[in-house]
Amino acid sequence: EADIYQTPRYLVIGTGKKITLECSQTMGHDKMYWYQQDPGMELHLIHYSYGVNSTEKGDLSSESTVSRIRTEHFPLTLESARPSHTSQYLCASEKQGTGELFFGEGSRLTVL
Amino acid sequence: QKEVEQDPGPLSVPEGAIVSLNCTYSNSAFQYFMWYRQYSRKGPELLMYTYSSGNKEDGRFTAQVDKSSKYISLFIRDSQPSDSATYLCAMSGGFAGNMLTFGGGTRLMVKP
Repeated sequence: EADIYQTPRYLVIGTGKKITLECSQTMGHDKMYWYQQDPGMELHLIHYSYGVNSTEKGDLSSESTVSRIRTEHFPLTLESARPSHTSQYLCASEKQGTGELFFGEGSRLTVL
Repeated sequence: QKEVEQDPGPLSVPEGAIVSLNCTYSNSAFQYFMWYRQYSRKGPELLMYTYSSGNKEDGRFTAQVDKSSKYISLFIRDSQPSDSATYLCAMSGGFAGNMLTFGGGTRLMVKP
């Protein structure tokens, strides 16, 4: 079983609030990813990291930001949430050299 | 045109049926091919992983890769209601790099 954890699992907040979605993995993987997925829709890559102090934007433009100060931790922040940010956010880490991704359970965000 | 195409379904089958799920792709550089299973409101989990062409079997699941046709398949024998989920193909490798490219997913429903 994959050791990658996301909190919170569910979050309902009002417009304009700042939120941080947490993601931690204990497998020592260097590469980590954030995907956005609407219900029944495909995965969209929004951020990724090759390791500590490395962050890159993904294919889908996102107003969120990420940081990678420690290998095991890859939080995603929205400075001012809007209803358009309502979605599921999935964090993943990659097993070295294989391309295999291990996903967390996801954080389902609803912005009112 | 998307790099990886997958019929979104839904695909509805009776319990015990053999299920065939497929993806086509356009990038001949892909070398690593994966199938992920995603239950509702959960993160995807790796189901099958294959390198290059050929078949791989794991219990009731068989993955096939035909690189000459740029076509991959996942077969599920004796399908069970617990197999009801969305199945995503993903691929990477070679000149395409290790960044996974996902299909849009096929929703499968196995009826008892």
